[in-house]
Amino acid sequence: DIVMTQSPDSLTVSLGETATINCKSSQSLLWSPNNNNYLAWYQQKPGQPPKLLFYWASIRESGVPDRFSGSGSGTDFTLTISSLQAEDVAVYYCQQHLNTPHTFGQGTKVEIK
Amino acid sequence: QIQLVQSGAEVKKPGASVKVSCKASGYTFISHGITWVRQAPGQGPEWLGWISAHNGNTRYAHRVQGRVTVTIDAPTSTVYMELRSLTSDDTAVYYCARAGFVDYYDSSAYLDYWGQGTLVTVSS
Repeated sequence: DIVMTQSPDSLTVSLGETATINCKSSQSLLWSPNNNNYLAWYQQKPGQPPKLLFYWASIRESGVPDRFSGSGSGTDFTLTISSLQAEDVAVYYCQQHLNTPHTFGQGTKVEIK
Repeated sequence: QIQLVQSGAEVKKPGASVKVSCKASGYTFISHGITWVRQAPGQGPEWLGWISAHNGNTRYAHRVQGRVTVTIDAPTSTVYMELRSLTSDDTAVYYCARAGFVDYYDSSAYLDYWGQGTLVTVSS
């Protein structure tokens, strides 16, 4: 199975500052035939299902604020939240969807300082 | 609008089985596979399996293979996930989620719409 490792486990950031979450996969998620990275990011708030933020590593899902950005390729990926807002408090997960089982990272909890 | 509506919470004894339903609406059902994910209390999500809504092909996680069966009832746009021989380790919220692109034959989609979740509690 592909192992997904996120860092840090938790993050405390002041309102308006930038939060950076890293995700590393144990093997490349780049599939050469279509040049896509099979990496998605989700946001989960308490009592809710995960919400898709990014797919193909950097394509923002419709409705997601542009203060969120996704980047990376191969085995190293980053989710950046610029100008953090109170409503961004949540746990963020990366997930590889290249090979089954489609494994998730352990999650990064983002809180306000 | 696209919706996935799951059945209600279940309480089961160890060794029993549970069957959770997921009714889809608002899109062409056969075009998007359905994935099942569970989340134990305080833990991250765990991928359990996928079914093609086009032909019923399935893929399962090794960890639950042999205990899990995902089936589809196309006329009612409903997907079912049955888990057998339950233990306390199976206590979790179970989610169904839709493939983010048309995936007749391939399970490699991200998940764009999720059900509300079904809490399954296994306790003696």
